[in-house]
Amino acid sequence: DAGITQSPRHKVTETGTPVTLRCHQTENHRYMYWYRQDPGHGLRLIHYSYGVKDTDKGEVSDGYSVSRSKTEDFLLTLESATSSQTSVYFCAISTGDQPQHFGDGTRLSIL
Amino acid sequence: AQKITQTQPGMFVQEKEAVTLDCTYDTSDPSYGLFWYKQPSSGEMIFLIYQGSYDQQNATEGRYSLNFQKARKSANLVISASQLGDSAMYFCAMREVSAIMDSSYKLIFGSGTRLLVRP
Repeated sequence: DAGITQSPRHKVTETGTPVTLRCHQTENHRYMYWYRQDPGHGLRLIHYSYGVKDTDKGEVSDGYSVSRSKTEDFLLTLESATSSQTSVYFCAISTGDQPQHFGDGTRLSIL
Repeated sequence: AQKITQTQPGMFVQEKEAVTLDCTYDTSDPSYGLFWYKQPSSGEMIFLIYQGSYDQQNATEGRYSLNFQKARKSANLVISASQLGDSAMYFCAMREVSAIMDSSYKLIFGSGTRLLVRP
């Protein structure tokens, strides 16, 4: 495995609560990504990071924020969770134009 | 806008036979990369194979090969000698070069094809 840990692996929460998902890597890769996976859509990019404190938006960034204060950690925050954010969230890492390697995913349910 | 299309929601194949999973793409960027990932029922995403737009030969990795037809904008995955463990979702993805950092590429995914290998 590529040394990527996502936490928590499963979470159930209520609408309107804040939620933070963590991605931790031990590979010292520069680039980190957050995707969400929904039926019929494949994976869609939420945010990505190209270095400490350097982040940019992806295709479906509304309602999400990210932070990267250390190379190894990339946090995804839902400030006020909505039911439409129920999904499986994947973190990925890469060194650049090499293939991205993915974590095992976080299943998030918002009731 | 860049786009990946996988037109086969589901497919069956007999064990030990070959199978082709279709992927077409749309981009105006002359430099791009195409990837295939496998997602078994356990949920993890596994990288299978990569093809660069300037690569002269089709990529191969063990039983996986990529039938890259640039003029037709297709990058089909061929799995030879299917095994029961090949039953999974398969995603085609294309690299999109970031407008900010051209080495920080983003992936655009197709909607996937579910492959079931019959014994």
